[in-house]
Amino acid sequence: KAGVTQTPRYLIKTRGQQVTLSCSPISGHRSVSWYQQTPGQGLQFLFEYFSETQRNKGNFPGRFSGRQFSNSRSEMNVSTLELGDSALYLCASSSNSGTKGNEQFFGPGTRLTVL
Amino acid sequence: SQKIEQNSEALNIQEGKTATLTCNYTNYSPAYLQWYRQDPGRGPVFLLLIRENEKEKRKERLKVTFDTTLKQSLFHITASQPADSATYLCALDLGRGYNKLIFGAGTRLAVHP
Repeated sequence: KAGVTQTPRYLIKTRGQQVTLSCSPISGHRSVSWYQQTPGQGLQFLFEYFSETQRNKGNFPGRFSGRQFSNSRSEMNVSTLELGDSALYLCASSSNSGTKGNEQFFGPGTRLTVL
Repeated sequence: SQKIEQNSEALNIQEGKTATLTCNYTNYSPAYLQWYRQDPGRGPVFLLLIRENEKEKRKERLKVTFDTTLKQSLFHITASQPADSATYLCALDLGRGYNKLIFGAGTRLAVHP
């Protein structure tokens, strides 16, 4: 089974621009979560989608948004980029709804640099 | 306030010894606790999950304990090898019906030959 894939792997943007990151979960997984990882804050939860519905959102400004398609692929969007948005953005998929505790499968991440 | 703390930024041990990593949390009531390994430039990889009603879990050379009274989990790697060198992350799952993990900052483990 192919793992979680994320595109692009690297991205350089300038302040004020917007960016869209893509994530393809493991086949059959309906849950996709997004995390931001920075040296200062570590891994922080952005949001989770299950069957095209956002079920939970972390403590990030409204500039961060996402969506999930019917094939479970997900995108996240960051508008009006700030220098502090430079980070590794990780997507994780999971096989069930989360009610019984389950492992998450992470992709390799997208390294976003904002200049 | 809510906190997750993992012991020290880096842990250096000799090959063959047991590495013990600590995860302490405050003001959370996790239903599950997970441990992940992360290598530089890669996403975290799941290692073990332990439930709130379990005291201990083992998988090959790995052992996890979970003490909900002390609000602490210990992660042990026995007979450590240089290939075990990585950052280890603990993550709390509050078990509220969605997949959200709350991560600690991680402990960087270096196993020296």
